Amino acid sequence: EAQVTQNPRYLITVTGKKLTVTCSQNMNHEYMSWYRQDPGLGLRQIYYSMNVEVTDKGDVPEGYKVSRKEKRNFPLILESPSPNQTSLYFCASSFRRLAYEQYFGPGTRLTVT
Amino acid sequence: TQLLEQSPQFLSIQEGENLTVYCNSSSVFSSLQWYRQEPGEGPVLLVTVVTGGEVKKLKRLTFQFGDARKDSSLHITAAQTGDTGLYLCAGDDYTGGFKTIFGAGTRLFVKA
Repeated sequence: EAQVTQNPRYLITVTGKKLTVTCSQNMNHEYMSWYRQDPGLGLRQIYYSMNVEVTDKGDVPEGYKVSRKEKRNFPLILESPSPNQTSLYFCASSFRRLAYEQYFGPGTRLTVT
Repeated sequence: TQLLEQSPQFLSIQEGENLTVYCNSSSVFSSLQWYRQEPGEGPVLLVTVVTGGEVKKLKRLTFQFGDARKDSSLHITAAQTGDTGLYLCAGDDYTGGFKTIFGAGTRLFVKA
């Protein structure tokens, strides 16, 4: 089954404790993204990757890191989480850019206390 | 950064009514997409519009891309309770890289 998987689905952590949210897709997609979703703000892009070893900042990259060592995986790293990073996070992938459908993972709800 | 503004932000209607949701920008987009998101899930693509003036139909949903490719609308005819959800428009932002931007969404609630 074609899908994007994220882990964990729920995470409660404390300020400053490094964490990684994993994302994997099995569709051989080139383009992958991370978004955060906050009430009233819609989805805001954190980072995206056009292909392996190619990543770039979205609109809200501060406090986040990513890597793309393999085509299927695109982990999101919070080196020192803060309460303002409490949010719902989505990973997405698409075949390429330019009007291709993005397939979204089920989301990771992160709470930083 | 380009912006996409959606209106209304919230819409509560009775089953059987018609409604229109708007997605507007001051910038030109090569294409716009409409997604629908249900609680606890990620967004799912409904349609992509590419050509200015294009109209696409998906059962009771009609999508239109403005002639100048700066705006789009989603019209639902005879809404059903199953249409309840968050509707998001999205487009590619070329002003600084290859980002994707989303509107803030329209939350639709259809009452039986």
